[in-house]
Amino acid sequence: DQQVKQNSPSLSVQEGRISILNCDYTNSMFDYFLWYKKYPAEGPTFLISISSIKDKNEDGRFTVFLNKSAKHLSLHIVPSQPGDSAVYFCAAVGTDSWGKLQFGAGTQVVVTP
Amino acid sequence: GEEVAQTPKHLVRGEGQKAKLYCAPIKGHSYVFWYQQVLKNEFKFLISFQNENVFDETGMPKERFSAKCLPNSPCSLEIQATKLEDSAVYFCASSKSKSQPQHFGDGTRLSIL
Repeated sequence: DQQVKQNSPSLSVQEGRISILNCDYTNSMFDYFLWYKKYPAEGPTFLISISSIKDKNEDGRFTVFLNKSAKHLSLHIVPSQPGDSAVYFCAAVGTDSWGKLQFGAGTQVVVTP
Repeated sequence: GEEVAQTPKHLVRGEGQKAKLYCAPIKGHSYVFWYQQVLKNEFKFLISFQNENVFDETGMPKERFSAKCLPNSPCSLEIQATKLEDSAVYFCASSKSKSQPQHFGDGTRLSIL
C-alpha cells in the first residue's frame, strides 16, 4: 500500500523557470517530510525537510510547502538550473514508525536550456 | 568520515550463495538504516539501529536476512542462500539523532545470477 504518492513521473522545465513537484500522502500519523534528489548510480541526497507543525520551509532556491488538511506537500525550485536534472523523491516518517522512511515513486526532472 | 561509505559498489553472487554488504555511517551518527531498492524507484525499509542495538526490524525478511552494527566496525547486512528476487540496490543511511534527516550512501548493487 503506497502511503506516499508522486503522481507525476516526469517534469520538464526551462532553465531559469520554477519547478514545482507535488506529493500526496495518506497516513495521518506522518509528521516529518523530506525531499531527496537522486542522480543515477548515486544515493539519494537530502535537500530539505519540514515538520508537520510548519507549513513552509525555505532553504536557498528550495521551498517546501505543507498542507496538512489536504495531505499534500510540494517542492518549489526557483530558478531551475541544469544541475537540478535528477529524480526527486518525497519521503515521510510518522510518530508510529520513527526512522522508517516511506518514499514516493519519484519524479524525473529535466531542466532544458 | 563525512559521508556514508558502502562497500562493495557491486556484488555478484550465484543463487544460493551468501552475500555480505558493509556500511560505515557518518562519524558521530548514532542511527543506521538499511533500505532495498528493487524496482527502479521503489525503496523498501529493512532495518534500523541505534548504535549497536536493533531499533526497528519490521522490514527484514527474517529467514535469510540478518544485520549487525558492532562497535568500531562497519555495519553489515548479510543474506544467506540468496535468491534471484534479492537482486536490488541496497542503501544504507545514517542520522545524528531522531530529529535529523537521514543521509544515504551510494548503495551496493547486488546481482544474483
